[in-house]
Amino acid sequence: AQSVTQLDSQVPVFEEAPVELRCNYSSSVSVYLFWYVQYPNQGLQLLLKYLSGSTLVKGINGFEAEFNKSQTSFHLRKPSVHISDTAEYFCAVSRMNRDDKIIFGKGTRLHILP
Amino acid sequence: DAGVIQSPRHEVTEMGQEVTLRCKPISGHNSLFWYRQTMMRGLELLIYFNNNVPIDDSGMPEDRFSAKMPNASFSTLKIQPSEPRDSAVYFCASSAFRARAVATEAFFGQGTRLTVV
Repeated sequence: AQSVTQLDSQVPVFEEAPVELRCNYSSSVSVYLFWYVQYPNQGLQLLLKYLSGSTLVKGINGFEAEFNKSQTSFHLRKPSVHISDTAEYFCAVSRMNRDDKIIFGKGTRLHILP
Repeated sequence: DAGVIQSPRHEVTEMGQEVTLRCKPISGHNSLFWYRQTMMRGLELLIYFNNNVPIDDSGMPEDRFSAKMPNASFSTLKIQPSEPRDSAVYFCASSAFRARAVATEAFFGQGTRLTVV
């Protein structure tokens, strides 16, 4: 079965500083990878996804993520964060060409400091 | 499209009562997921339907929980009897799965915040 580990439950960052949110996955088969964002009292929305091809994936709101197969990682980055980026971020995985069951990590809460 | 619609948005009930959560997926989507979110356990997949058929219910915590999808546009998650430890936010999500095709992301509803007192 596949699983996702987000090592950091909370990440504080100063406004306009860069940020990296870490995600590692485990799976016996090839996977698709996703990052979702959840703003307070809302559902989850997709930031970006990796399907195949280029390992650097660009998403909405200036976020990007890099797929590293050898390290089984899919870290999310943004070069300069804004106060509006305050939210919880979830990494997720689904098995390629099997089904679309999506398994989520426990989430990382991003705190933007003024 | 209005997106995934869940009702109610908030539910407060007494321990022992039956609770029914409802979900209308995005039209044309053929997969539906029920997730539960708590501080302690994060986002847990409870059950997953494909073409109205339950595919994986291994995440359903116990027999008190049941889910149905009588047609492509409606699903329910029922808890009977409810307990305080069931308090959580329950999310419904849908996707348009196509076999041997590229991944399709899940689209989430706004969630139902359940409080069992």
